[in-house]
Order: sequence, then structure tokens, then C-alpha cells
Amino acid sequence: EIVLTQSPGILSMSPGQRAILSCRASQTVDHSALAWYQQKPGQAPRLLIYAASFRATGVPDRFSGRGSGTDFTLTISRLEPEDFVVYYCQQYARSPRTFGHGTKVEIE
Amino acid sequence: EEQLVESGGGLVQPGGSLRLSCAASEFTLTSEEMNWVRQAPGKGLEWLSYISNLDDTTHTEDSVRGRFSISRDAAKNTVDLQMNSLRPEDTAIYYCARGGKYFDLWGRGTLVTVSS
Repeated sequence: EIVLTQSPGILSMSPGQRAILSCRASQTVDHSALAWYQQKPGQAPRLLIYAASFRATGVPDRFSGRGSGTDFTLTISRLEPEDFVVYYCQQYARSPRTFGHGTKVEIE
Repeated sequence: EEQLVESGGGLVQPGGSLRLSCAASEFTLTSEEMNWVRQAPGKGLEWLSYISNLDDTTHTEDSVRGRFSISRDAAKNTVDLQMNSLRPEDTAIYYCARGGKYFDLWGRGTLVTVSS
């Protein structure tokens, strides 16, 4: 199975700053079949990005994704207070679908 | 607004069984590829099982295969997860999620606690 490693585990930032989250795969993720989710406390995950760089419906344009092969990033251009939560990457190039362990963005 | 709602969670003893259901509003589940994903307390997300919208083909993650099975009830418009031989490490929030590749709609989850 494809193992996804997210870094850092915790990212300490201030509102207004740019955050860059990394997701590295143990094997090539074909066709950039990678998604990003945001999870707020006590809530279900919410799809942010699919196919590495396409924003899901209703996702603010401060969220952007890029990458291919084994290296992917999620960038939040200017952090808003509601962005200080946990983010997961997920690959769907191969079965089983696998998730990274998450990056928590916390207020510095 | 499209929604998914899980039900059936609760406290069960080790070795016991539970059947979770996922119901949809504003769309028909039989038209969708569906999944179950779980999240242990304080942990990350783990995909468990998938069912096709074409022929009800299923795929289940190795660690729960043989104990968990996914199925569809067209009459009730639900997707169910039958969980047998439950273990303490199965304690988690169980989410149903729509999609064959990435998951664009999730329910709020139902908590399963396996403890004596």
C-alpha cells in the first residue's frame, strides 16, 4: 500500500501568514490522484482539494494544492482564524485508499 | 442540502457485533460509490470498506476483512457496515463517505466503543 507521510506534524503559525503543508508518498501517486481534507474538532473531514490541485466546491481560493509523483503540498496563502485545525492528505491512485497522519496547524 | 447520517453505534463487548447504517438525504445512495472510514480517538483516518454503485462489488481493508462487511439496502436507501468479532482497537468514530476515489461528502459519524 502507499504510505503517506505528512510534515510537519504540528505547524505553529500566526493569522495572516502563509502555511505550507507537505505530503510525501512512499510510491508514485499516478495521475496526481491525491486529495486534501480539513477536519475541525468534533466534525467530519471536509474535502478541500482533489487531483492534487483542484479546489472542491465552496473552498476559498486561499487554499491551493500542487505536486506530482511522490511530493505534494497544500498551501494556505493567508491563515484565517478558522484555518487552525487539522489537515489530511489521501491518495486514491491505488487500493487501499490511504491517508496521511495529519498536520495540525496551531496558533503560535 | 445533501447529507449523510450514520446510526447504529454504541457500546459493545469484545467479541460482539454491531451493524451501522448510513442514510442519505437529497440524493439516492444506490447511485453512488460509498465507503466507510473510521477514526480512533485522537488518531487519523482509516479507510475500511467500499461498495460500487454499478454492481455492488465491495473492497475491504485487510485488517478488518472477514470481520467487517459492507452492503447496500436499496429499499431503505442505506449503506450498512456489519461488524463482527469486535475488538477494543475497533473503538472509533465510524464515518460513511461518498466517492470512488476521493470523498466529497461525509456524515457526522457514529461512535463505536468496544469495552467490557
